[in-house]
Amino acid sequence: DAKTTQPNSMESNEEEPVHLPCNHSTISGTDYIHWYRQLPSQGPEYVIHGLTSNVNNRMASLAIAEDRKSSTLILHRATLRDAAVYYCILRVSYGGATNKLIFGTGTLLAVQP
Amino acid sequence: DTGVSQDPRHKITKRGQNVTFRCDPISEHNRLYWYRQTLGQGPEFLTYFQNEAQLEKSRLLSDRFSAERPKGSFSTLEIQRTEQGDSAMYLCASSFPPRLAGGYNEQFFGPGTRLTVL
Repeated sequence: DAKTTQPNSMESNEEEPVHLPCNHSTISGTDYIHWYRQLPSQGPEYVIHGLTSNVNNRMASLAIAEDRKSSTLILHRATLRDAAVYYCILRVSYGGATNKLIFGTGTLLAVQP
Repeated sequence: DTGVSQDPRHKITKRGQNVTFRCDPISEHNRLYWYRQTLGQGPEFLTYFQNEAQLEKSRLLSDRFSAERPKGSFSTLEIQRTEQGDSAMYLCASSFPPRLAGGYNEQFFGPGTRLTVL
């Protein structure tokens, strides 16, 4: 699985947008970009995923660079409940046989009131 | 609550003892995964089941570790002769097969079992 690089930590103020970067320079054409987050004392939870086009859902937006070597998770208005470790993960999809997630160390997001 | 559940939530044991953890996935999910997470690290994949078949095992899963999913529903993870290095959070996740999930099998995680080996 290709490797991702994320900052160890970031800080944000409540109700401000947050841009969490991820570099994945060795991404291949079949790698999907996934984001999960882990709130304190909980298991990880899915945030968003994409392949080439930017994606939006109720939790966040995912902006993917044109060359796909980097992506950015965007939280439009951070809340205190968004304080978590955010993981950027690449995973190959084998026609539906996707399985394990390979987590890195993620970015610890602190949200200040 | 229809999420993934794990039991127990915490386990303290002495080195050399055997421990067993249970995971109950979301009922419609046929895929089940086990991960291990140590402090400050992301979760590491251990093993994966599709229905009752164990389809992949990590090299992290030494001979002391065994996982089962006998009827394709709940799963157990057993660690024999525990060592202090086994202290970690053990996470279980489940998912639909992609063909039932619009092509993507988002994994739903349980709260984990925290193991402390003294």
